[in-house]
Amino acid sequence: QKEVEQDPGPLSVPEGAIVSLNCTYSNSAFQYFMWYRQYSRKGPELLMYTYSSGNKEDGRFTAQVDKSSKYISLFIRDSQPSDSATYLCAMTPGHQAGTALIFGKGTTLSVSS
Amino acid sequence: SAVISQKPSRDICQRGTSLTIQCQVDSQVTMMFWYRQQPGQSLTLIATANQGSEATYESGFVIDKFPISRPNLTFSTLTVSNMSPEDSSIYLCSVSQDSGANVLTFGAGSRLTVL
Repeated sequence: QKEVEQDPGPLSVPEGAIVSLNCTYSNSAFQYFMWYRQYSRKGPELLMYTYSSGNKEDGRFTAQVDKSSKYISLFIRDSQPSDSATYLCAMTPGHQAGTALIFGKGTTLSVSS
Repeated sequence: SAVISQKPSRDICQRGTSLTIQCQVDSQVTMMFWYRQQPGQSLTLIATANQGSEATYESGFVIDKFPISRPNLTFSTLTVSNMSPEDSSIYLCSVSQDSGANVLTFGAGSRLTVL
């Protein structure tokens, strides 16, 4: 079993839909969870950063972490064509710079207008 | 957050040759990281490059194949040596964001195709 599992999709939704992206993991030591967005031919950019369990909201984006289930989610409300990208989950046991991040394979999202 | 420039953005290489990728950051950073993103695979850390010391390689990656230089606090290079088609990938340079926390800023990547 891989440390981080993420369905690669692709996921296609109409504009305005609510999108749910998910990752599961096996290492209970993971404490810090991130979502990155990667547009075609670009590097990943950080969307959300959360610690331990709970929810975090930023505009149309909500990140949820359920450590008891080893499951994290990213919700996108009122999805826009500009949200079309690959979304990568990442996690790490340590807060200090240099602790390796473990990434999922990424889910490719397409939002049609 | 830091702005990272990578060169080349893409290249097509012949089997058996080597290619050096350059990473320039617009501010001084302690740690720089090199990642590989193979088609359909997770982003994988190759090595951590600290100025003034040898790079630290992750399991499965060796210095002879991926030599790294870090001559100062704003620049690093990654060389992919003796390339084979299996080395076809996107190589990404990254640095920790200003807060010092384990959050990364990435360059746009260098897309290598080995024939």
